[in-house]
Amino acid sequence: QARLVQSGSELKKPGASVKVSCKASGYPFTEFALNWVRQAPGQGLQWMGWINTNTETPTYAQGFTGRFVFSLDTSVNTAYLQISSLKTEDTAIYYCAREIPAATPMGNWFDPWGQGTLVTVSS
Amino acid sequence: SYELTQPPSVSVSPGQTASVTCSGDKLGDRYASWYQQKAGQSPVLVIYQDSKRPSGIPERFSGSNSGNTATLTISETQAMDEADYYCQAWDSSVHYVFGPGTKVTVL
Repeated sequence: QARLVQSGSELKKPGASVKVSCKASGYPFTEFALNWVRQAPGQGLQWMGWINTNTETPTYAQGFTGRFVFSLDTSVNTAYLQISSLKTEDTAIYYCAREIPAATPMGNWFDPWGQGTLVTVSS
Repeated sequence: SYELTQPPSVSVSPGQTASVTCSGDKLGDRYASWYQQKAGQSPVLVIYQDSKRPSGIPERFSGSNSGNTATLTISETQAMDEADYYCQAWDSSVHYVFGPGTKVTVL
């Protein structure tokens, strides 16, 4: 069945960069969009944006432009989230999630989710 | 922008019914999905398109959506259902939005 496996936890200093990977298996990678979701410590889920795995076109939610970059390597069925100029407030768990399309975007949903990658930013 | 609201917490006794609401402007005109997140785990889809249940999700989970409110209902609640529950909807201005989450406690 479909599965998303993310890279391990990261500890970074402010100002550094980090690249989180999300490897897909069990389904045709380029037929389903990939979304990224952030969860700060003790907080709820925040949608960061998505990447079209067919055209490799990213779309970023408000608040996630500039320092955040979504990319793909379709040869290994893997999506990446890169965050540059890290700030302490970037400390969070980052999830990737496959988007299941319906007749209209209103009907889409996320399944499955990756296990999450904890990024800790601390001096 | 589009916003969803949920009660911070819901308490339920084992075997009873828990209802978690999610409110948003004309939410009934769009679909709602629900995700369960147990402590230390990633979210799991439990309801999509208002009331559809993915394979592997117990029948005690059901959903509805009308007017401004979507509701996740957990019948015959079990201790294993204790988790945070998030609603999600799509809006043309913000694409995807999640509710703030509701902690369901089984007392």
